[in-house]
This record gives sequence, structure tokens and C-alpha cells, in this order.
Amino acid sequence: AQSVSQHNHHVILSEAASLELGCNYSYGGTVNLFWYVQYPGQHLQLLLKYFSGDPLVKGIKGFEAEFIKSKFSFNLRKPSVQWSDTAEYFCAVNILGSGAGSYQLTFGKGTKLSVIP
Amino acid sequence: NAGVMQNPRHLVRRRGQEARLRCSPMKGHSHVYWYRQLPEEGLKFMVYLQKENIIDESGMPKERFSAEFPKEGPSILRIQQVVRGDSAAYFCASSPRASEAFFGQGTRLTVV
Repeated sequence: AQSVSQHNHHVILSEAASLELGCNYSYGGTVNLFWYVQYPGQHLQLLLKYFSGDPLVKGIKGFEAEFIKSKFSFNLRKPSVQWSDTAEYFCAVNILGSGAGSYQLTFGKGTKLSVIP
Repeated sequence: NAGVMQNPRHLVRRRGQEARLRCSPMKGHSHVYWYRQLPEEGLKFMVYLQKENIIDESGMPKERFSAEFPKEGPSILRIQQVVRGDSAAYFCASSPRASEAFFGQGTRLTVV
């Protein structure tokens, strides 16, 4: 079965620091890739997604992610974080073409980001 | 356009009782997904439904759990005879087509 690994459980940064959150998946076929964010007390929101085309994807709030197929990675980046980016970030994968199961998302365990003012 | 609405937000049940979690998808969305999040874990897929059909229930426990998405009304996730291990956050998501999903705020179930 496919799996998604997020390397960092908790990341603490000062404002204006650069951010990179790692995400690797274990599936060799065609995938859709997502990053979701969950602010405290709120629902999951889609930050960005990759379906095909340019492997560098830009999302909302200054976030971007790069799909590197050879490394099975989809790392999330932001050049300068703000206190308001404090949240939990989830990487997710959807496998294409695997029948009924292809509509489900497989999530990583999440990375909690704390930004210190 | 209201987002995905889940209710209740918090639900407390005693062991052995039934829990009913409701999810109203976004307008125009006919695909509904249920996920469960245990403490310190990521979201785990439970079931995928379209109107009146269960498409994929590979993530549902074999006993006590059931889901439906009737022609009219919200999708319901039903847990019978709840046990402490059922305590979790249950998230619903909807989409107009496969894969790109919008999530609700979740229902936090506590079994005491």
C-alpha cells in the first residue's frame, strides 16, 4: 500500500526565516499531490496541488512546492514565514488509475509549524 | 457558497451508545469522503460515496461502522456501540469530481 512520509513532526522558526517541509511518497505510478494546511480550530484548507505540467507549483499565501519524480518528493517551501503561518501542514497523495480506490487521499502524519514573532 | 458543513462539532458518547455524524457537502458536489484522524496521526481514509452509492469502503472497520449518502439530505457516518478507541476527529470532504476535495471542520468524538 502507498504511504506518505513527512519528515518533521514539529518545526519552530522565527518570523522571516525560510521554510521547507519534506514530503515523500512510496508509489511508482502516476499521482496527484497536495498540501493542506490546518490552522488552529479550523478545517483543512488546500494550499496547493500538482496534477501535471510544471513541477514547481505555486499556491496561496506565498507557498510553493516542487515535485521531483525521481525522488518521490513534493517538498513545501516558503521564503519568509509569518507568525500567521503557525498551523499544521499535511501532505497528501492521490493515486490515479487504481480503480475505486483511486479517489482516496493518503495523508502524511502532518508537521506542526510554530512561528515565533 | 457555504463550505462543507459538519455537525455536531463536538460529540460525547458513553461506551455502547451510537454516534451519528453528519456532513452536508458543498453545493453541486456529489462526491463525499470520510476520514478519521487519531491523535498524533494523519488522516486515514474511511469511505467514499456518491449519491446513494458506496464507491469505496476499504478504510471502514468491518463492524459497527456504516455510512450513507442519500438522495436527499446529508451524508451520515454511523458508529454503533462506540468504544473508547473510536475517540477521534472525523472529517468529511466533498468534491465535484474525483480527487480535489474540500474539507469540513470535523467532528470530534469523545467516548467516555
